[in-house]
Amino acid sequence: GAVVSQHPSRVICKSGTSVKIECRSLDFQATTMFWYRQFPKQSLMLMATSNEGSKATYEQGVEKDKFLINHASLTLSTLTVTSAHPEDSSFYICSASYGTGFYGYTFGSGTRLTVV
Amino acid sequence: DAKTTQPNSMESNEEEPVHLPCNHSTISGTDYIHWYRQLPSQGPEYVIHGLTSNVNNRMASLAIAEDRKSSTLILHRATLRDAAVYYCILRMGNQFYFGTGTSLTVIP
Repeated sequence: GAVVSQHPSRVICKSGTSVKIECRSLDFQATTMFWYRQFPKQSLMLMATSNEGSKATYEQGVEKDKFLINHASLTLSTLTVTSAHPEDSSFYICSASYGTGFYGYTFGSGTRLTVV
Repeated sequence: DAKTTQPNSMESNEEEPVHLPCNHSTISGTDYIHWYRQLPSQGPEYVIHGLTSNVNNRMASLAIAEDRKSSTLILHRATLRDAAVYYCILRMGNQFYFGTGTSLTVIP
């Protein structure tokens, strides 16, 4: 149980276009989901916290107009990278809490975004 | 402002125990200590977590110092499949903040 599905696993897009990444909780309801980005050989950096039915909370330094987050249902959160540029190329990972505070989080398998 | 500190890399021989240390000197009383591991181009995988007492599960053991300022993840018999980056994470409220992690190499 507690599986998070992330789609697509990899995407290549042209500079200036927008890309949407989906994160679904398959067998549980996730009121809160989290989005991370990870550059090569580096750790995961929390970008934003996505709450179902409300606006996402962004970490300091993350542009909310650049990285649009929508969490319209208890099983789906989306991250849209708008007007993508090569510097947005990264590994994006979502996660969701599958229980009360005691139980931690499960992570998606990640999306490799390459902007050319 | 690093919340956890781990060695960048460690090596272990296959079938031997591995002790992965983590310092978290700024931990507060309500912060859980979580360990996840990540294989290349994959999302992190849960390993173990704890608050104050030592914990055991089928994957590993977690030894937490009495003052909670450090912890050690113990893999009892390392296998090649255990080669990964291991992250020690403090859960602060509802959010995870990852440290730099330890890249574990398992030598056959």
